Amino acid sequence: NAGVMQNPRHLVRRRGQEARLRCSPMKGHSHVYWYRQLPEEGLKFMVYLQKENIIDESGMPKERFSAEFPKEGPSILRIQQVVRGDSAAYFCASSEVGATSYGYTFGSGTRLTVV
Amino acid sequence: AQSVAQPEDQVNVAEGNPLTVKCTYSVSGNPYLFWYVQYPNRGLQFLLKYITGDNLVKGSYGFEAEFNKSQTSFHLKKPSALVSDSALYFCAVKNNAGNMLTFGGGTRLMVKP
Repeated sequence: NAGVMQNPRHLVRRRGQEARLRCSPMKGHSHVYWYRQLPEEGLKFMVYLQKENIIDESGMPKERFSAEFPKEGPSILRIQQVVRGDSAAYFCASSEVGATSYGYTFGSGTRLTVV
Repeated sequence: AQSVAQPEDQVNVAEGNPLTVKCTYSVSGNPYLFWYVQYPNRGLQFLLKYITGDNLVKGSYGFEAEFNKSQTSFHLKKPSALVSDSALYFCAVKNNAGNMLTFGGGTRLMVKP
């Protein structure tokens, strides 16, 4: 079991470019969660998705950010027209249905640097 | 709404001494409580959880946590700290009905030789 796979591990983008972060959940997990961690700060919830559905996007900035979890393939967090303030580590987590006893399994994160 | 408070941004302890990292929570219904650890440039790793049963939960790397319902706390403890325990620790909570984990702001543990 490969766990939660995130790629790329590191991503450098110039201001104004688009960033696409991918997350493949753990086998058997149908729930995906995205978090952002700014340098020296805690985890901030962004969005919670199930296959083809956004369940809770209350933590997503209103502009430039979007997320999807299609029927086939990984979940994608997309940031359009990146700015320096988007530089952060973005973590994906997955859980089985109901996230009952096991909480989340986290990926190793994508570290986005905007130059 | 559910919430988690980790009142200390940083905890400093000498190697060999006991350590405590504090966590209090607020949730409706029965709480499911978790501790995760994050080493530099890594993702979060599961340490331990409380779902039901004994209030003292044992987890990975010699860590344990005590669930206290009356104080709504779930403090992380270890009898003898190691330098390698230095990391960022996150407490999290959910209730028995929902899927969402709510995380605390994290506490940086520094263990000095």
